[in-house]
Amino acid sequence: EPEVTQTPSHQVTQMGQEVILRCVPISNHLYFYWYRQILGQKVEFLVSFYNNEISEKSEIFDDQFSVERPDGSNFTLKIRSTKLEDSAMYFCASREGLLAKNIQYFGAGTRLSVL
Amino acid sequence: GQQLNQSPQSMFIQEGEDVSMNCTSSSIFNTWLWYKQDPGEGPVLLIALYKAGELTSNGRLTAQFGTTRKDSFLNISASIPSDVGIYFCAGLQGAAGNKLTFGGGTRVLVKP
Repeated sequence: EPEVTQTPSHQVTQMGQEVILRCVPISNHLYFYWYRQILGQKVEFLVSFYNNEISEKSEIFDDQFSVERPDGSNFTLKIRSTKLEDSAMYFCASREGLLAKNIQYFGAGTRLSVL
Repeated sequence: GQQLNQSPQSMFIQEGEDVSMNCTSSSIFNTWLWYKQDPGEGPVLLIALYKAGELTSNGRLTAQFGTTRKDSFLNISASIPSDVGIYFCAGLQGAAGNKLTFGGGTRVLVKP
């Protein structure tokens, strides 16, 4: 069964460093998402992406964050200068299209630890 | 912003028991989804609900979308040890259904 894959599974970085989290959405999907889950808390929406542009973003997604689809398969989340409070699980999700039944499929996540 | 209130926050199950959890909101959602998250994994979709009043089953799981589109419940019948995990409700608003709003989760644990 097709799945969303994320790499790395765990990323450790120093505060102030840039990190890039990578995702390969399901191949025929058109809508892509990033969510964040701080330890013990609920999953929070960060950004949605369609047709090579951001379609919606939350207030968490400030100027330190950016997303990119550099080729036909990858979807990345970049955090320019990490802060301690960026430590969380980051989930990528994808959805087939408008006619698909609004179902978003999630990857296993990348655990980001900022020291 | 929109909030989904999920209860209970945690529950203990004994094998064979039926369990129930629910989710309420002050806002209307067009689609309600129930996900399960195992430790260190991403949310996995269990059931999707699209119509007010809709009752849908997936094996031992049954979920219903409230008639006002502001609530939903999930039942697990005859629970087994692998039912342990965190169950999240999530809602989508609008036709485009862009962002999922998640509830706080119900942590299901095995009774010692």
